[in-house]
Amino acid sequence: EPEVTQTPSHQVTQMGQEVILRCVPISNHLYFYWYRQILGQKVEFLVSFYNNEISEKSEIFDDQFSVERPDGSNFTLKIRSTKLEDSAMYFCASSESWTSGLNTGELFFGEGSRLTVL
Amino acid sequence: AQSVTQLDSQVPVFEEAPVELRCNYSSSVSVYLFWYVQYPNQGLQLLLKYLSGSTLVKGINGFEAEFNKSQTSFHLRKPSVHISDTAEYFCAVRGFQKLVFGTGTRLLVSP
Repeated sequence: EPEVTQTPSHQVTQMGQEVILRCVPISNHLYFYWYRQILGQKVEFLVSFYNNEISEKSEIFDDQFSVERPDGSNFTLKIRSTKLEDSAMYFCASSESWTSGLNTGELFFGEGSRLTVL
Repeated sequence: AQSVTQLDSQVPVFEEAPVELRCNYSSSVSVYLFWYVQYPNQGLQLLLKYLSGSTLVKGINGFEAEFNKSQTSFHLRKPSVHISDTAEYFCAVRGFQKLVFGTGTRLLVSP
């Protein structure tokens, strides 16, 4: 069964360092997402990406964050200068369609990348 | 804007007992609702979804949910829980090309 894969599963970094989290969405999906979950808290929307551009971003997604789809398969989240409060689980997700089909509106999530900022 | 409220942060229950996890939603567009489960140290897995049609939706692992438009609710139920159902459960509503999640309910099943 197709799945969303994320790397690394866990990354430890020093405050101020740049981090890149990588995701391979399901191949025929068109919409891509990053969500964040601080330990024990809710799953928060960061950004959505469609047709090679950001379609929506939350207020959390400030200038230190960026996303990119550098080739036909990868979808990355970059944090330029990490802060302690960036420590969280970051989930990548993808979606096939929002208007029709059995998977309408359903997001398929990866296992997550745990980021620890020291 | 779309939002979801999960009133119970934690629900303790004994094995083989029934359980209901509550979810209320607010949406100004067509209502699509989802329940996801997160087992410890894992990602989010879809349990079930309501897009249209029958208001009673059956999902994986014996879970079901009922869409109630008048009460704007989408409560998750299971008639008999197992130890292995211990997990975090998230209700979500469709927004504009994204899902909006509730704060989650931790289901704790004890023997």
